[in-house]
Amino acid sequence: DIQMTQSPASLSASLEEIVTITCQASQDIGNWLAWYQQKPGKSPQLLIYGATSLADGVPSRFSGSRSGTQYSLKISRLQVEDIGIYYCLQAYSAPYTFGAGTKLELK
Amino acid sequence: QVQLKESGPGLVQPSQTLSLTCTVSGFSLTSYDVHWVRQPPGKGLEWMGGIWGDGSTAYNSALKSRLSISRDTSKSQVFLKMNSLQTEDTAIYFCTRWTYWGQGTLVTVSS
Repeated sequence: DIQMTQSPASLSASLEEIVTITCQASQDIGNWLAWYQQKPGKSPQLLIYGATSLADGVPSRFSGSRSGTQYSLKISRLQVEDIGIYYCLQAYSAPYTFGAGTKLELK
Repeated sequence: QVQLKESGPGLVQPSQTLSLTCTVSGFSLTSYDVHWVRQPPGKGLEWMGGIWGDGSTAYNSALKSRLSISRDTSKSQVFLKMNSLQTEDTAIYFCTRWTYWGQGTLVTVSS
């Protein structure tokens, strides 16, 4: 199975700050990587698919990038509504796997 | 518009079988894959398995011995069956088409 190592596990940042979350895949997954945001009591919301493509309706301050088997989600200017838990998902080959999640809080 | 909705029992006894239904609308099951994802209280997301447009299935390695996913395309429904439930299977169970998610259904395993 492909392992997704997500870091950090938690992150405290200030409004307008740049935030970066990373996922390291245990093997090549190409661009088959998505990022989700989940708020308490809600279903996950797709932010990024194909490693770098912004999902419909997602603010442009969110962006995704790839360097080899390392994938990053960047929030360019943190807003209060960005608080939540973020997950990466590899959908390159089944069994699909999520990262363990990053809890993003306001400082 | 695209919608997915989970339904099933909220409470299951240990060692029993869980049966959940995902009823979809706005798309055809023969054209899109649907997956089941679960989330224990306060924990992360776990992919359980999926069924593709051609009817093929794939499962989480840790669950495949007790998990089955099937569908009825005429009723636009995807089914999850998992046997030998234990307390650690207590979770919110979601069905998803990756862009679209159901609201989730809480399943508690308890006697």
